[in-house]
Amino acid sequence: KQEVTQIPAALSVPEGENLVLNCSFTDSAIYNLQWFRQDPGKGLTSLLLIQSSQREQTSGRLNASLDKSSGRSTLYIAASQPGDSATYLCAVDSNSGYALNFGKGTSLLVTP
Amino acid sequence: EAGVTQFPSHSVIEKGQTVTLRCDPISGHDNLYWYRRVMGKEIKFLLHFVKESKQDESGMPNNRFLAERTGGTYSTLKVQPAELEDSGVYFCASSQPSDEQFFGPGTRLTVL
Repeated sequence: KQEVTQIPAALSVPEGENLVLNCSFTDSAIYNLQWFRQDPGKGLTSLLLIQSSQREQTSGRLNASLDKSSGRSTLYIAASQPGDSATYLCAVDSNSGYALNFGKGTSLLVTP
Repeated sequence: EAGVTQFPSHSVIEKGQTVTLRCDPISGHDNLYWYRRVMGKEIKFLLHFVKESKQDESGMPNNRFLAERTGGTYSTLKVQPAELEDSGVYFCASSQPSDEQFFGPGTRLTVL
């Protein structure tokens, strides 16, 4: 059974810092991995999708990497802004036919 | 283009009552998913439709839950009779085949 762990559970940084969020998964036989952000009381916003054959994906100040062999993904946020404050979720599709397995998320606070 | 929509946004019912949640996917998305987050836990997969067919319902907790997608457009998730442990946020998502999933804002269900 696939288990997804996100570290740290919470993170507070001053504005302008670069930061890394970590995601690990127990079964390396994945189909893809998706990063989301969730704002309080809102739904999930898809940030990046990495297919199993890819090593990384970039969107603006966000860069996500994938290392299947070690069961890890990282989300790098450059030059953080207060608007980046949210919960970031990592989810893995384990070749099961589209069902995503989620981590508990990292709650990020960027202070001005 | 409209995103995934869910109705209602909140529902408060008493134990033993019935509740029906609705999800309208992004137009043209044949894949539709239901997920649930109970307090303190990670988001969990419930089931997956391809058009009107249930592709995977391995995450459905018990036979009090019934999902339908007549005509392959919108979907409903009925809980009958509701129990206290059914409280949580129910998310719907949709996607193109093998592509990123787009989530709705969720329905917060409270069973008293």
